Amino acid sequence: AQKITQTQPGMFVQEKEAVTLDCTYDTSDPSYGLFWYKQPSSGEMIFLIYQGSYDQQNATEGRYSLNFQKARKSANLVISASQLGDSAMYFCAMRESSNYQLIWGAGTKLIIKP
Amino acid sequence: GAVVSQHPSWVICKSGTSVKIECRSLDFQATTMFWYRQFPKQSLMLMATSNEGSKATYEQGVEKDKFLINHASLTLSTLTVTSAHPEDSSFYICSARGSREGGTQYFGPGTRLLVL
Repeated sequence: AQKITQTQPGMFVQEKEAVTLDCTYDTSDPSYGLFWYKQPSSGEMIFLIYQGSYDQQNATEGRYSLNFQKARKSANLVISASQLGDSAMYFCAMRESSNYQLIWGAGTKLIIKP
Repeated sequence: GAVVSQHPSWVICKSGTSVKIECRSLDFQATTMFWYRQFPKQSLMLMATSNEGSKATYEQGVEKDKFLINHASLTLSTLTVTSAHPEDSSFYICSARGSREGGTQYFGPGTRLLVL
């Protein structure tokens, strides 16, 4: 069963607008972590933000915030005031408590239009 | 902080040769490192988990004799693709688990391997 689902293969967003990238997950483990990574065309994977399953508040890191809705099992990434440099692939990933391996979503290709 | 380097960034080699890729955590110690393979327009595929001082744990379907992993120190793990063939051509990327809450993995810049 697919554990991480990113339903948007690609998105076009106008520069300076906010963008929400969807991520839903499935796990029976009460302790887990959710991550978002950015992969520009250069290939490196850049860590953006982390949300623990027991965290009471949504995680924020600068222009990035994670809209964590535990009951719905969703962990959407919100990028405020998008910039041209935000154009990249974005991956959602989950870590279950059993080990530190990550389960990856298929990714969303985000293109910011000037 | 949490910088991971990977070397080389590009490799072109002839079929049958072996290629070694190094992954280093530059400003932190990493007891666990991971090796991934990524095909074009796909997500990351975990190949193996490497723990310092012990044998790597390979994912199902990954040939351990083909992809040799050594994690000799807390800052260095190496992946050797032995007797490389064209089907081994891919993007290989490593990560190191930091001490940040949640066990965040920090990634190297990746290595593009082309086997002719």
